[in-house]
Amino acid sequence: DVKVTQSSRYLVKRTGEKVFLECVQDMDHENMFWYRQDPGLGLRLIYFSYDVKMKEKGDIPEGYSVSREKKERFSLILESASTNQTSMYLCASLEAETGVQETQYFGPGTRLLVL
Amino acid sequence: AQKVTQAQTEISVVEKEDVTLDCVYETRDTTYYLFWYKQPPSGELVFLIRRNSFDEQNEISGRYSWNFQKSTSSFNFTITASQVVDSAVYFCALSAGSFQKLVFGTGTRLLVSP
Repeated sequence: DVKVTQSSRYLVKRTGEKVFLECVQDMDHENMFWYRQDPGLGLRLIYFSYDVKMKEKGDIPEGYSVSREKKERFSLILESASTNQTSMYLCASLEAETGVQETQYFGPGTRLLVL
Repeated sequence: AQKVTQAQTEISVVEKEDVTLDCVYETRDTTYYLFWYKQPPSGELVFLIRRNSFDEQNEISGRYSWNFQKSTSSFNFTITASQVVDSAVYFCALSAGSFQKLVFGTGTRLLVSP
């Protein structure tokens, strides 16, 4: 079974703090994704990575950055947390195979509260 | 651009009732994939089904069934004889183009009461 883990289930941070959200997958997947989930908005893609050190902006990258130094780990960084970044953050991974649409597997999510 | 619409924000049923969750999608790509995920109160998204655009055959898995109709751009999900454990938020998602990014609908919250 694919296992995607996230470093924290709940986080409380203060405005202006630098926040790191970590995601680790154990299936040697090439692609990894960060989403945020907000009521009434569904899941929205922040950033994704298709290889080590490679990253692409998603639909809402403003205020975020990412790091992928190792294949199994994809980090989401809030350089200076703001209250509007209070949300549920979900990480996902999938194996990239040309011509085949694979399934994204999700971690348990991190609920971030920025005060 | 791709878009997924789940018009039902919340549905409440009593146990053993059948319930259908609607999903309408938009894409200009001829090759695309559709997904359903379940999100129980614990928060983790659980994969339910994947369907590609060339396979319109309906699928049944136990109490779950899916109706894919390209003519109406819909991929509806039916739960037969609902149970309390079915209570969750259900998301429909679409993937088309490169990098296999998913576009999600806003979700439908299903409440099944005893």
